[in-house]
Amino acid sequence: EAEVAQSPRYKITEKSQAVAFWCDPISGHATLYWYRQILGQGPELLVQFQDESVVDDSQLPKDRFSAERLKGVDSTLKIQPAELGDSAMYLCASSLAGQGTNIQYFGAGTRLSVL
Amino acid sequence: AQSVAQPEDQVNVAEGNPLTVKCTYSVSGNPYLFWYVQYPNRGLQFLLKYITGDNLVKGSYGFEAEFNKSQTSFHLKKPSALVSDSALYFCAVNTGGFKTIFGAGTRLFVKA
Repeated sequence: EAEVAQSPRYKITEKSQAVAFWCDPISGHATLYWYRQILGQGPELLVQFQDESVVDDSQLPKDRFSAERLKGVDSTLKIQPAELGDSAMYLCASSLAGQGTNIQYFGAGTRLSVL
Repeated sequence: AQSVAQPEDQVNVAEGNPLTVKCTYSVSGNPYLFWYVQYPNRGLQFLLKYITGDNLVKGSYGFEAEFNKSQTSFHLKKPSALVSDSALYFCAVNTGGFKTIFGAGTRLFVKA
């Protein structure tokens, strides 16, 4: 069964350092999502791509976060500089299309700890 | 603005007993409703969804959910709980646009 791949699984960094997360969605999925999940809360959408275009990044802290999906396939989420409050699970998901009826398939996530 | 509420942080049931995990929503427009499950150190997995039609939706692993428009609820149910059902459950809503809103999650603990 096809899966969404994410790396690394765990990342420990010091505040003010730069970190990057990578996601490879299920083949053929046009829509890719990055979520942040703080312990005890549900996933919060950071950015959504349709192919290589951003369709929603309203909750992305653009002063420190950036995301790209250059060829409309895999994607990278970057934080620079990292802050203590960025400690969370970062989940990537993909779906066939962006319409609200589509099932999202999630990767295992990257757990970030900022010291 | 659309929102989802899961009023219980944790639900405890004995193995073999029926379980219910509650979800209520607030949207303008017709809702598309989802349940996802998350096991430790894993991403979310899709369980079931309601788009339109029959109010009772059947999903994976014997779970089902009932859409109640008048009560704006979409409770997750299972007739007989298993210890392996212990996990974190998320309700989510979308109104046909791009953004899906997730609830805060309910931790289900099934005791043997």
